[in-house]
Amino acid sequence: AQSVAQPEDQVNVAEGNPLTVKCTYSVSGNPYLFWYVQYPNRGLQFLLKYITGDNLVKGSYGFEAEFNKSQTSFHLKKPSALVSDSALYFCEGQAGTALIFGKGTTLSVSS
Amino acid sequence: SAVISQKPSRDICQRGTSLTIQCQVDSQVTMMFWYRQQPGQSLTLIATANQGSEATYESGFVIDKFPISRPNLTFSTLTVSNMSPEDSSIYLCSVEDRVNTEAFFGQGTRLTVV
Repeated sequence: AQSVAQPEDQVNVAEGNPLTVKCTYSVSGNPYLFWYVQYPNRGLQFLLKYITGDNLVKGSYGFEAEFNKSQTSFHLKKPSALVSDSALYFCEGQAGTALIFGKGTTLSVSS
Repeated sequence: SAVISQKPSRDICQRGTSLTIQCQVDSQVTMMFWYRQQPGQSLTLIATANQGSEATYESGFVIDKFPISRPNLTFSTLTVSNMSPEDSSIYLCSVEDRVNTEAFFGQGTRLTVV
């Protein structure tokens, strides 16, 4: 079965430190991969996507992600975390007409 | 946690007709979100539906085209009205669990307009 895994329910980092939110996938073919952020009472906001091309994808708010085919990973990263980055993050895989979401990772950035 | 049942899972519709998509949640939730996603594109938020109030639509989406009902805390519908081929997409509902800071997704409705 196809799946997207976010192995960490919660990630805690100090402001100014680098952050990583992990995502691995098991999707047939060449998947499209996405990251979204959700703040309370708001819908998902798109951060970045990988379709094809460069494995390092840069997105909104200083986030980036690296597509690693051999490790089937698409980890979200940011060099220097902000308190305002504290939110819920979702990884999504799209294969054909199938949408597969990770269960979400809560990022908490402390000042 | 919450389990969402979204129906129909797929449909092929004639242009000019309307399709109503239903989302049933197994627990009471305050906020429900409706999205659509086309191949290779990110999810796009259509509207936010709160029980007992008018849905809040995002830029580019209007109530006449995408009327939403939210009669209670466990159910919502999205209607795609007067469909054209450009409406072909996957439509998805989602709910937010603010207490546990989680979100849950329906299975998606794959709509093809011919």
